[in-house]
Amino acid sequence: KQEVTQIPAALSVPEGENLVLNCSFTDSAIYNLQWFRQDPGKGLTSLLLIQSSQREQTSGRLNASLDKSSGRSTLYIAASQPGDSATYLCAVRANDYKLSFGAGTTVTVRA
Amino acid sequence: GAGVSQSPRYKVAKRGQDVALRCDPISGHVSLFWYQQALGQGPEFLTYFQNEAQLDKSGLPSDRFFAERPEGSVSTLKIQRTQQEDSAVYLCASSWSSGGGLETQYFGPGTRLLVL
Repeated sequence: KQEVTQIPAALSVPEGENLVLNCSFTDSAIYNLQWFRQDPGKGLTSLLLIQSSQREQTSGRLNASLDKSSGRSTLYIAASQPGDSATYLCAVRANDYKLSFGAGTTVTVRA
Repeated sequence: GAGVSQSPRYKVAKRGQDVALRCDPISGHVSLFWYQQALGQGPEFLTYFQNEAQLDKSGLPSDRFFAERPEGSVSTLKIQRTQQEDSAVYLCASSWSSGGGLETQYFGPGTRLLVL
C-alpha cells in the first residue's frame, strides 16, 4: 500500500519568507503527483500536477519538484503572503484513478 | 454548475441513524470519487464510479456504507446505523474522463458528519 508522508505537520513563518514543504512516498511506481490546497470548511484546490516523467512544475510563486526514484517531492512557495495560510496536501496517483494523500502541512503566514 | 457541489454541508446524526450525502459533479464528468477525511488526516479513497458503474468500492470501511450513481450524474453516499467513528468530512470529486492518469480531480466542499 502506498504511504505518503508530509513534513513538517505545521509551519509558521513571517510574511515574505519562502516556504518549503516536503512530501515522501513509498512506492515509486506512480503516474503523477499533485499538490492541493485546503482552506477550512472548503474543498481541495489543485495547485500543481507533475507527471511521472517530469522533474518540476511552476505556477506563479509556486514550484514543485519530483524525484520519483527517491520517492520525494518538494513544494516551494516564494515570498509568502498571509493569503497563503492553509493546509497543503500532497497526493500521488499509483494507478489510473486512486489518489493517496499525505496528512498535510498546515501553514500560517504572519503579517 | 461551475464546480462540484455537495449537500448537506453539515450533518449531525445520533448514533444508529442512517444518513445520505449527496454529490453533484461537474456536468459531463464521467468519473466520480468519494473520499473520507478524518480530523487531521488526509483524504482516504472510498469508492469510484465511471458513469453509473461502480468500478471500485475497496475503500468502503464496512457494509454499512453504500454508494450509488444511478443515472451517471448525481451520486449518493449512504451510511447505515452510523457510529461515532464515522465522524469525518466526506469529499466528492469528479473528473472529465474515465480515470486516466493525466487529468486532475475536482473536489467539492465536503460534508462534515458528526455522529453523537
